[in-house]
Amino acid sequence: DAGVIQSPRHEVTEMGQEVTLRCKPISGHNSLFWYRQTMMRGLELLIYFNNNVPIDDSGMPEDRFSAKMPNASFSTLKIQPSEPRDSAVYFCASSYGSSNTEAFFGQGTRLTVV
Amino acid sequence: QKEVEQNSGPLSVPEGAIASLNCTYSDRGSQSFFWYRQYSGKSPELIMFIYSNGDKEDGRFTAQLNKASQYVSLLIRDSQPSDSATYLCAVTVTGRRALTFGSGTRLQVQP
Repeated sequence: DAGVIQSPRHEVTEMGQEVTLRCKPISGHNSLFWYRQTMMRGLELLIYFNNNVPIDDSGMPEDRFSAKMPNASFSTLKIQPSEPRDSAVYFCASSYGSSNTEAFFGQGTRLTVV
Repeated sequence: QKEVEQNSGPLSVPEGAIASLNCTYSDRGSQSFFWYRQYSGKSPELIMFIYSNGDKEDGRFTAQLNKASQYVSLLIRDSQPSDSATYLCAVTVTGRRALTFGSGTRLQVQP
């Protein structure tokens, strides 16, 4: 298996623009997580899906952020409008089971909002 | 109080020495504990997980858990320069299925 695949790897956008990050989890995994990593705040959970259903979105910073998982093999994280403070590395991770055992991370998307 | 706390480091050890990384957590209901390694510019990768009090060994790595004192540690024996990375402690917090991560400890192994 190719592992968790994220795209794009790097994204530079202007403030106010819409940004869409994409994730393909490992086949057979039923849990998917979006995390954001910054120097100041470390690795923070944004949202967690189980069987394509959002279970915990308490980490989503504000209404500018939204996430979808239309099927078991694809998820998106959208920021609209983007702001410079959204600059971070966004990781998608997936696991099998509901207790987040052995979550596997994608390579991340480095987002820079200028 | 942060839910998961780690000393940010850097922790510097000479090659061949034992590196000891510590983590404390605030939720007494936490049941699962994980150590991830993250090289600069890369994604976190799982090293070990531990669920029960005591030690768990895997090669050069030993995870130690003490639920009464609410700490979990990772020992790396015979440290190598390739072990230089940031080590993230992660726990499951009551009521939240996803992992909560500490801020990580940066380890430097000096050749």
